[in-house]
Amino acid sequence: GAGVSQSPRYKVAKRGQDVALRCDPISGHVSLFWYQQALGQGPEFLTYFQNEAQLDKSGLPSDRFFAERPEGSVSTLKIQRTQQEDSAVYLCASSLPPAGSYPPYNEQFFGPGTRLTVL
Amino acid sequence: QQQVKQSPQSLIVQKGGISIINCAYENTAFDYFPWYQQFPGKGPALLIAIRPDVSEKKEGRFTISFNKSAKQFSLHIMDSQPGDSATYFCAALTGGFKTIFGAGTRLFVKA
Repeated sequence: GAGVSQSPRYKVAKRGQDVALRCDPISGHVSLFWYQQALGQGPEFLTYFQNEAQLDKSGLPSDRFFAERPEGSVSTLKIQRTQQEDSAVYLCASSLPPAGSYPPYNEQFFGPGTRLTVL
Repeated sequence: QQQVKQSPQSLIVQKGGISIINCAYENTAFDYFPWYQQFPGKGPALLIAIRPDVSEKKEGRFTISFNKSAKQFSLHIMDSQPGDSATYFCAALTGGFKTIFGAGTRLFVKA
């Protein structure tokens, strides 16, 4: 009866390194979201998948950020040439049905996050 | 641009007291307003949510009050307990997937 899992839980990278963060959503969940949470701040939307289709990537901060979900289940957030300002907790969330157009919207279940520190 | 403004940044309440957290929004297209609770090392978890056509929603000790004309909403935690100590985020959505979060309120309930 697992919830959303993320790995690694902690990642330390040297500036300029590439990193890959993994999200395992709840089995069968169609929608998957990535958020970035800076220290002491609320999560900020990065991108949204419905199955394998990336329907919105407007929150990705730069072209160094790339997300994929090739088989509609596990997702990977990749950050190339990491910078110190990329240091944050990266949260993944999933919900069962597709994100709807009318409220009440479907509950998003969050994983514990990956804390990325760029030195 | 901060679309959802949350206050206070931190709050200390005595056990049994009422905790009140306030939020204000700018975008009138928002049509759903959830509150999340986050414990250290965990992801946020949905606590309670409201639509703007409702002025109040209560679930157990948690109540949302919504003022559409003022574009403000608030969370009230009645009979606050030490186990309620966490960070609370208000949020807003339109279109069902892009959630805009407030900056958070760190609540500490003194035993």
